[in-house]
Amino acid sequence: EVQLVESGGGLVQPGGSLRLSCAASGFTFSSYWMSWVRQAPGKGLEWVANIKQDGSEKYYVDSVKGRFTISRDNAKNSLYLQMNSLRDEDTAVYYCARVGSGYDYGHWGQGTLVTVSS
Amino acid sequence: QPVLTQPPSSSASPGESARLTCTLPSDINVGSYNIYWYQQKPGSPPRYLLYYYSDADKGQGSGVPSRFSGSKDASANTGILLISGLQSEDEADYYCMIWPNNAVVFGGGTKLTIL
Repeated sequence: EVQLVESGGGLVQPGGSLRLSCAASGFTFSSYWMSWVRQAPGKGLEWVANIKQDGSEKYYVDSVKGRFTISRDNAKNSLYLQMNSLRDEDTAVYYCARVGSGYDYGHWGQGTLVTVSS
Repeated sequence: QPVLTQPPSSSASPGESARLTCTLPSDINVGSYNIYWYQQKPGSPPRYLLYYYSDADKGQGSGVPSRFSGSKDASANTGILLISGLQSEDEADYYCMIWPNNAVVFGGGTKLTIL
């Protein structure tokens, strides 16, 4: 069974940093693109970043470029999101999602809440 | 990143059909993209429903009933999710998605209410 479990969320002040993790199991992690998708309270889904199987390609939504870094450790079956210079508008539930062979998000984690507030 | 436009809300009665739309901006041709659809219920992550490119190229998510189907209206540059035989459990938020140029774009979502 595919499982994605996010961790690392919490309360952080504006300008601060946070590192999210996503532990993957039940599939060959190194064979899949992975993504982070976020959802602000009461709002819709927003794609944040993608990373290729070997980490050689990374893509970001414009609003986080230069502040967030997606990475992965295939030996640990883990996906990460380093978030720096956090802003109020980064407050959201952050989901990690597996990119399927058809470029669908067939599997999602339960999400981790990041709250940016003073 | 482009913007996909979805009506904020829609409603229908049990047993009826719901037609949810996702309009692409004029500079992006709906005919060139897979349109993906997701369902989200309160407190849960999104659930993948299906993708639609054409009648010859479409796919259903694992365990998704066949009463969920996709289509396109090229004249309106719009992707469509059709839910037939509505049930109370279909009340949820529905999001469309495309993959232009290694990025991902979601629509703003439609809240479907079952009357």
